Amino acid sequence: KAGVTQTPRYLIKTRGQQVTLSCSPISGHRSVSWYQQTPGQGLQFLFEYFSETQRNKGNFPGRFSGRQFSNSRSEMNVSTLELGDSALYLCASSENLEINSPLHFGNGTRLTVT
Amino acid sequence: AQKVTQAQTEISVVEKEDVTLDCVYETRDTTYYLFWYKQPPSGELVFLIRRNSFDEQNEISGRYSWNFQKSTSSFNFTITASQVVDSAVYFCALSEVNTGTASKLTFGTGTRLQVTL
Repeated sequence: KAGVTQTPRYLIKTRGQQVTLSCSPISGHRSVSWYQQTPGQGLQFLFEYFSETQRNKGNFPGRFSGRQFSNSRSEMNVSTLELGDSALYLCASSENLEINSPLHFGNGTRLTVT
Repeated sequence: AQKVTQAQTEISVVEKEDVTLDCVYETRDTTYYLFWYKQPPSGELVFLIRRNSFDEQNEISGRYSWNFQKSTSSFNFTITASQVVDSAVYFCALSEVNTGTASKLTFGTGTRLQVTL
């Protein structure tokens, strides 16, 4: 099976712009979640989608949003970019919502905001 | 609130040495899962192991072994006879039942392991 695919791998944006990141989960996986990784804050949970519904949201401002499509692919959007949004954004998929279901991560999208 | 502590920021060893990565967690849940992930320079987090709170058996997989002790809230990871390919950042993570989902993991800050020849 192909792994979790994230596009693009790298992005450079300017403050104030918006950005959309894409994630294709492992085939058959219905849950997709997003994490932000920064040197200062480490790995932080952004949100999770299952069957096109947001199930959980982390402690991030409303500028961060996402959605999931019927084929389980997901996008996340960040509007009005700030310098502090520079990070590695990781997408993960899992088969279901069971607590023991391990997350499988993609290579991430590295976003740089200038 | 849940918390995962990886006190070792960086460890350097010479190839073939054994190395143990420490992980201490805090949770008020009685049902939870602990995970270890490896993050090589390419960026993706690679799942290594999952352990539930009711299973304190140690586990060995090749050169990797894990020691889970509820009494000390620790879930340590040992690499035996380390190799250069083991160089990566290793994360310990906690998943609690009360979050209602498997996806909201609490990660530690990671331990960077450098294995040299």
